[in-house]
Amino acid sequence: AQSVAQPEDQVNVAEGNPLTVKCTYSVSGNPYLFWYVQYPNRGLQFLLKYITGDNLVKGSYGFEAEFNKSQTSFHLKKPSALVSDSALYFCAVRGTTTGNQFYFGTGTSLTVIP
Amino acid sequence: GAVVSQHPSRVICKSGTSVKIECRSLDFQATTMFWYRQFPKQSLMLMATSNEGSKATYEQGVEKDKFLINHASLTLSTLTVTSAHPEDSSFYICSARGASGSDRTQYFGPGTRLLVL
Repeated sequence: AQSVAQPEDQVNVAEGNPLTVKCTYSVSGNPYLFWYVQYPNRGLQFLLKYITGDNLVKGSYGFEAEFNKSQTSFHLKKPSALVSDSALYFCAVRGTTTGNQFYFGTGTSLTVIP
Repeated sequence: GAVVSQHPSRVICKSGTSVKIECRSLDFQATTMFWYRQFPKQSLMLMATSNEGSKATYEQGVEKDKFLINHASLTLSTLTVTSAHPEDSSFYICSARGASGSDRTQYFGPGTRLLVL
């Protein structure tokens, strides 16, 4: 079965500090992993993805994520948080042996404190 | 990047009426489109997957006669909520994916807030 877990419902971080939003996955075969951000009353915006290649993936707005196969994790990171990064973040996985379906985590609400 | 639009962004309707939501891929051809439903502070729930020119595939528990999906072209999919009831009030989000290849990214529309009175 395919699934994604985001263990933290809420993450608070001070502006300028590094941030991490955690994600672990379970999938048959090689995973395609994604991070999306959602601002209030808006759809999801694509941040970055891991398909293959380097384990460290760089994406939009200074975000990056590290694919760790042994720990089945794909944590989202940013070296220096901005207040404007405050939003809801979703991790998603699509297994290569499944159909088109994405499996989303439950989301992590990030609050960057000025 | 790929842009997906949804119309309307917000709709209020009376119970018993039908509401149509449009999802368009603006700068790419979407061979597959997805419709999601999101409740407040919850994750996205996939309702159905549609491929251009064929019938949609509905997830378990989603009534296909209530949520009619049409994917008539490579740039347009519509979701019609028939005989809407207050419990259908939700945030509906579509996403679109291009032709096959290494890219499996789904690009999301801005969502449609439906309120049924």
